[in-house]
Amino acid sequence: TQLLEQSPQFLSIQEGENLTVYCNSSSVFSSLQWYRQEPGEGPVLLVTVVTGGEVKKLKRLTFQFGDARKDSSLHITAAQPGDTGLYLCAENTGFQKLVFGTGTRLLVSP
Amino acid sequence: NAGVMQNPRHLVRRRGQEARLRCSPMKGHSHVYWYRQLPEEGLKFMVYLQKENIIDESGMPKERFSAEFPKEGPSILRIQQVVRGDSAAYFCASSPRQGGSYNEQFFGPGTRLTVL
Repeated sequence: TQLLEQSPQFLSIQEGENLTVYCNSSSVFSSLQWYRQEPGEGPVLLVTVVTGGEVKKLKRLTFQFGDARKDSSLHITAAQPGDTGLYLCAENTGFQKLVFGTGTRLLVSP
Repeated sequence: NAGVMQNPRHLVRRRGQEARLRCSPMKGHSHVYWYRQLPEEGLKFMVYLQKENIIDESGMPKERFSAEFPKEGPSILRIQQVVRGDSAAYFCASSPRQGGSYNEQFFGPGTRLTVL
């Protein structure tokens, strides 16, 4: 069974700081998605990465997919309080269900 | 241009009662997925349905839980004889087809079930 470990588990930073969160797998991803979930809401899809070595940017967010497709990172530049939330990576298993990582809880204080 | 809709948003039940959770997928989406998020745990897949068919129920508990997606109307997740351990957030997601290469799913706001 695919295991997706995310680190760090919790992250508390000040507005304006940069941060990176990681998603690692015990085996190769077919494709990987990143979601953000705010308290009391459902996850919202941020990006899908498919190709090893791929880099995608979404405003201040940069997503990287490892060359071997077993890890991924999310880098946020100049974090803002609105970035606060639970960041989840998820793999498309190819059988229609998503397998989610353990999540990183981010708190950005003004 | 409504997204995935779930109701109720909050549901309180006493032990032994039944809980019915509803999900209306996005317009044009015919594939529905249910996930459960227990306190301090990640999202776990429960079941995948298409209209009138259960495709994959490998994540559903063997007893007390059932799901349907009728030809007309919302998808229903039903929990019979609820126990305190069923307290969780239940999320529904939908996709327009069999996920394509990326299986991008769009999530609803969830139903938070509390069992007293």
